Amino acid sequence: GQNIDQPTEMTATEGAIVQINCTYQTSGFNGLFWYQQHAGEAPTFLSYNVLDGLEEKGRFSSFLSRSKGYSYLLLKELQMKDSASYLCAVEGNTPLVFGKGTRLSVIA
Amino acid sequence: DVKVTQSSRYLVKRTGEKVFLECVQDMDHENMFWYRQDPGLGLRLIYFSYDVKMKEKGDIPEGYSVSREKKERFSLILESASTNQTSMYLCASSLSLERGRQETQYFGPGTRLLVL
Repeated sequence: GQNIDQPTEMTATEGAIVQINCTYQTSGFNGLFWYQQHAGEAPTFLSYNVLDGLEEKGRFSSFLSRSKGYSYLLLKELQMKDSASYLCAVEGNTPLVFGKGTRLSVIA
Repeated sequence: DVKVTQSSRYLVKRTGEKVFLECVQDMDHENMFWYRQDPGLGLRLIYFSYDVKMKEKGDIPEGYSVSREKKERFSLILESASTNQTSMYLCASSLSLERGRQETQYFGPGTRLLVL
């Protein structure tokens, strides 16, 4: 079966670093996506990993370990505008399978 | 920039009505998708299409149908709306890559449907 797990909620302080974990079990693997979704808005693409290792893009980085079925999204120098849900999604032998999302609250 | 548009941001319908949700993308993407998003359940795939006139059932197709007569347009139809179809509906599109892979999905702004 297909299963993607991520924490439901996280809280972090402005200026800090936060790591959002995602574990997955899917049929086949063609890549892992992270999306950001602000309340009431559509998801927007953040990052894509298909090979093991770390992909860095400004304040955001994403890591993948295919052997462990594990990824994380790292957000540095947190800003209030980073308060949003973060969705992990895996492309396998079927269309993208999404996790239920992690709601991140950034507090002052 | 990819643009995915949906016909309405908010919609209120009565039980039993036929409802059409339209989605249009302007980037010549082969793949189009319809999801619904509910609190605590995340994004769930209703139907998808990899080409014109082609459709495939997703995880929760019951109570829905779709139409893809043109490459850029993918319509979601609720034949007889029910209160449990009150939800946020999101359309997405993506480009096909080699070996069956797809590029990232781009989402429309969503339609919040309330069925009374």
